[in-house]
Amino acid sequence: KQEVTQIPAALSVPEGENLVLNCSFTDSAIYNLQWFRQDPGKGLTSLLLIQSSQREQTSGRLNASLDKSSGRSTLYIAASQPGDSATYLCAHRLGDTGFQKLVFGTGTRLLVSP
Amino acid sequence: DTGVSQNPRHKITKRGQNVTFRCDPISEHNRLYWYRQTLGQGPEFLTYFQNEAQLEKSRLLSDRFSAERPKGSFSTLEIQRTEQGDSAMYLCASSFQGNTEAFFGQGTRLTVV
Repeated sequence: KQEVTQIPAALSVPEGENLVLNCSFTDSAIYNLQWFRQDPGKGLTSLLLIQSSQREQTSGRLNASLDKSSGRSTLYIAASQPGDSATYLCAHRLGDTGFQKLVFGTGTRLLVSP
Repeated sequence: DTGVSQNPRHKITKRGQNVTFRCDPISEHNRLYWYRQTLGQGPEFLTYFQNEAQLEKSRLLSDRFSAERPKGSFSTLEIQRTEQGDSAMYLCASSFQGNTEAFFGQGTRLTVV
């Protein structure tokens, strides 16, 4: 069974801290991995996409890494801000060059206090 | 083009009624996906279109659910004889290819009372 686990389930930090969100998956034959942000009651906003041949991707204060051999990805958020408060979801894409669906974790709920 | 658009944003319906949701993907995207998300969980795959062809359906998609993408552009998801267990956020996503970045809409929140 394809499983994606995200730890911690919830995280509360003061503004300015650097933090790491973890994502682990059971199937190392992933095609790529995508990190999303979800605000309460809203849809998903794509943050970063890492192809299986890549080790990391960066966008502003965000850096995502991928280690296929250990089945892990991390999302690093530098200098956190209250506006970063949201649920962060990772999802990996399995399959061959045909159909590929996203398999999601349950998310990490982040609260950044001013 | 402002991204993936879903309508309505919220729908409250009585048990047993039929509901239909619409998704307009990003215009050049030929892949369209429907996902369902319940409270505290990650989204779960329901079905997928490549252009107008529905190529994959999850076992979550019972025979009360039907999805169409008649001209390879917008898609509709219909739920017949709704049940309380159908209450969830229904998310639509699109991508240019199957392995490229997926973009999601704001979702339709369904509440069955």
